[in-house]
Amino acid sequence: GAVVSQHPSWVICKSGTSVKIECRSLDFQATTMFWYRQFPKQSLMLMATSNEGSKATYEQGVEKDKFLINHASLTLSTLTVTSAHPEDSSFYICSATLAGQGWNEQFFGPGTRLTVL
Amino acid sequence: QKEVEQNSGPLSVPEGAIASLNCTYSDRVSQSFFWYRQYSGKSPELIMSIYSNGDKEDGRFTAQLNKASQYVSLLIRDSQPSDSATYLCAAPYNQGGKLIFGQGTELSVKP
Repeated sequence: GAVVSQHPSWVICKSGTSVKIECRSLDFQATTMFWYRQFPKQSLMLMATSNEGSKATYEQGVEKDKFLINHASLTLSTLTVTSAHPEDSSFYICSATLAGQGWNEQFFGPGTRLTVL
Repeated sequence: QKEVEQNSGPLSVPEGAIASLNCTYSDRVSQSFFWYRQYSGKSPELIMSIYSNGDKEDGRFTAQLNKASQYVSLLIRDSQPSDSATYLCAAPYNQGGKLIFGQGTELSVKP
C-alpha cells in the first residue's frame, strides 16, 4: 500500500516551454501532497505544500507564478513549470500523506528528472 | 542549531558490520521521526518511523529515540552492499505537517 506515482519519469524540453508533472496516490487518498526539488549531491528542498481543493502554500523563495500547483482531487496533484529555463533543470519529487494519518508519514513518488536545454 | 542535523559522511563500513547513523534535532520539530533511504538517482523510501522513546526494531534495522538528549539513530545490522545509499532523517515542524530533512548521511558498505 501507500504507492505514489509520477509522470513523466523524465522530460527534456526547450527553454521557454512549460512542463506539467503529475503526482498520483494509487491506493490511498492523500489530503496533502508535497513538491520537492533536489539538485545533485544536495538534500531535498520543499517547494510547496498542496491541499486538495485549496491553494498551495509555497516556501520562501519559490515563485508561485512559475511553479503552478493544482490539487484537483484526493489522488492527483500537478506541478507545472512555466517558461522553463536551464536553471530549472532538477529532480522533482512529490510525496503524499494518508488522509486521517496523524503522524505525518510521507510517501514519495519516483521523481521526475527535468532537463531544460 | 538546524532543526534536523546529520553528519554528511561518507560513512564506510565492511560488509556484515553494524552501521550507525545519527541525527540530532531542535525544539522546533515535533517528536515523531522518520528515516528514509535514497539510492543515487532515485527518490527517498521510508524505512523506519519512531514516535516513542526507546528502540524500535524492524528486521535488520533498529531506530533509537532519546528525547532527553534530542537525538535519533538508525542501526543497520549485518550491513550489505545493497544498503549503500544516502540515509535521510526527517521530522515535522511543530507548527505544521511539513517535514524537515537533515542533509543526509552517505553510507558505503564495502564487500
